[in-house]
Amino acid sequence: DVKVTQSSRYLVKRTGEKVFLECVQDMDHENMFWYRQDPGLGLRLIYFSYDVKMKEKGDIPEGYSVSREKKERFSLILESASTNQTSMYLCASRSGPRETQYFGPGTRLLVL
Amino acid sequence: AQSVTQPDIHITVSEGASLELRCNYSYGATPYLFWYVQSPGQGLQLLLKYFSGDTLVQGIKGFEAEFKRSQSSFNLRKPSVHWSDAAEYFCAVGGNTGKLIFGQGTTLQVKP
Repeated sequence: DVKVTQSSRYLVKRTGEKVFLECVQDMDHENMFWYRQDPGLGLRLIYFSYDVKMKEKGDIPEGYSVSREKKERFSLILESASTNQTSMYLCASRSGPRETQYFGPGTRLLVL
Repeated sequence: AQSVTQPDIHITVSEGASLELRCNYSYGATPYLFWYVQSPGQGLQLLLKYFSGDTLVQGIKGFEAEFKRSQSSFNLRKPSVHWSDAAEYFCAVGGNTGKLIFGQGTTLQVKP
């Protein structure tokens, strides 16, 4: 079975802190994604990566950056957390454009 | 503009009743269509997907969906709902760019 794991299920941070969310997949997938999920808005794409060291902006990249130094790991970075970044963050991976995206369990982030 | 609309934010059905969740999309090229389910506290799980061919697609857990190009729709159906089907359901559209666009989600409640 494909497994996508996220470093934390719940996280509480203070405004202005630098926040790292980690995602690891174990299926040698080329593509990885970070979404945020908010009630009534569905999932919105923050960043995605087609391969190691490659990244592309999604629909809402402002206030976020990403890092992909190894194929299995895709990190989302909040450079200076703000209260409007309180949300559920979901990571996903897949092997190619026509393939299924597999999701991690999500990280619920609260920024105070 | 590319978009996915799930007109029903919340649906309640009785256990054993039939279910139809609506999904309409706007996409400039040939769409790839997906339905995902998210149980409380969990990540998203793929129910079914459509790329080409037979417009009636069978998925897991007894779900099916029908692609209707003339109506730009991809509605999800199940003939008899079980209490364990209570969850949030997301429709998504993608194409050769590889990015998925998600709808806002429909929350399904099942009455005993």
